[in-house]
Amino acid sequence: RKEVEQDPGPFNVPEGATVAFNCTYSNSASQSFFWYRQDCRKEPKLLMSVYSSGNEDGRFTAQLNRASQYISLLIRDSKLSDSATYLCVVNDEDTGRRALTFGSGTRLQVQP
Amino acid sequence: NAGVTQTPKFQVLKTGQSMTLQCAQDMNHEYMSWYRQDPGMGLRLIHYSVGAGITDQGEVPNGYNVSRSTTEDFPLRLLSAAPSQTSVYFCASKQGGRGYTFGSGTRLTVV
Repeated sequence: RKEVEQDPGPFNVPEGATVAFNCTYSNSASQSFFWYRQDCRKEPKLLMSVYSSGNEDGRFTAQLNRASQYISLLIRDSKLSDSATYLCVVNDEDTGRRALTFGSGTRLQVQP
Repeated sequence: NAGVTQTPKFQVLKTGQSMTLQCAQDMNHEYMSWYRQDPGMGLRLIHYSVGAGITDQGEVPNGYNVSRSTTEDFPLRLLSAAPSQTSVYFCASKQGGRGYTFGSGTRLTVV
């Protein structure tokens, strides 16, 4: 089983749609979580952290369910510029791995 | 403030050749790391360093060496390149609890 699992997609949605990505992680001791965005042939960039109480940043909402070891990202009112791969990332530094653990990413294509 | 700078951006090697991928950061970050990214797989940690003079292995260290003589630089050495090392390599740094900053990557092909 992969340590961080994501649906690879692609998710093809029209502009203005709402789309949700899910992610599960295997290490129950993991303490912090992130969503990164990666454009084609570019480096990953931090999109947002994920907090236990859920958090929102503009059109983006992240949720964490520790009991189910499940993370989600909701994008409302999709824009063409949201087309990218979204990486679910678990920070395992506090569990001794001293590193981030990445999912393989979910590709989003927003169409006009 | 350039952030994390990686060189070269592209490289083609023959099997058995050695080379060094350069990574430099100007943010005075203590933590630096090297990842590789292959199709269908998440980024995987090769080596990391928590400060000058301190390095440790990650998930996939075989075939790679690192050193950290200064805070700014964290080069990755391929000792004897193999086709399995064809990948995109990313260097990343961070300080404390802040998020990671990635370099723009090095695309390596081993033929």
